[in-house]
Amino acid sequence: AQSVTQLGSHVSVSEGALVLLRCNYSSSVPPYLFWYVQYPNQGLQLLLKYTSAATLVKGINGFEAEFKKSETSFHLTKPSAHMSDAAEYFCAVSARYNTDKLIFGTGTRLQVFP
Amino acid sequence: EAGVAQSPRYKIIEKRQSVAFWCNPISGHATLYWYQQILGQGPKLLIQFQNNGVVDDSQLPKDRFSAERLKGVDSTLKIQPAKLEDSAVYLCASSLGVTGTSNQPQHFGDGTRLSIL
Repeated sequence: AQSVTQLGSHVSVSEGALVLLRCNYSSSVPPYLFWYVQYPNQGLQLLLKYTSAATLVKGINGFEAEFKKSETSFHLTKPSAHMSDAAEYFCAVSARYNTDKLIFGTGTRLQVFP
Repeated sequence: EAGVAQSPRYKIIEKRQSVAFWCNPISGHATLYWYQQILGQGPKLLIQFQNNGVVDDSQLPKDRFSAERLKGVDSTLKIQPAKLEDSAVYLCASSLGVTGTSNQPQHFGDGTRLSIL
């Protein structure tokens, strides 16, 4: 079975500061891992995905995430926050080769202060 | 390309009434998903279709929820009768891949926000 834990339901940073959103996963089989962003009153938009190629994955809007098997983590980072990054971020896992059912975490709301 | 279209955007009903949501996926996408997103939680899969067949409906409350995907394109999700705990955003998503190719990204619509009074 797969599960995802996102540490911190709210994260606040200043504009220009480092963004770090934490995600730990549990999976009985090699996983695919995803980060999605949700702006108010909108659906989810894919930021990036890990599918077993490079462990450091680059996504849209300057975000990247690193897959660390030893730590079962897939944390999302961005070197310099922008006001437009304020949104809800969801980490998700699916089981490779078996199903494309996504299991989502509970989300982290990112606030960016000027 | 046009994205996933959902309607209505908002719906308010009283408990025990019925409601239906509509979804038009991205053209050519074989797989369609319905998710329920309760306030403060991540989306939870309700049902997954591949073309017009059901792949996974293990978390669909079948005593009150039903869904269909006619001709493998559009889909409707119905709730009858609605309960207070059904207040949520209902998201539709579609993907190009068939089941088992889970590296294909899912594309989401903007959702329908349902409020039960």
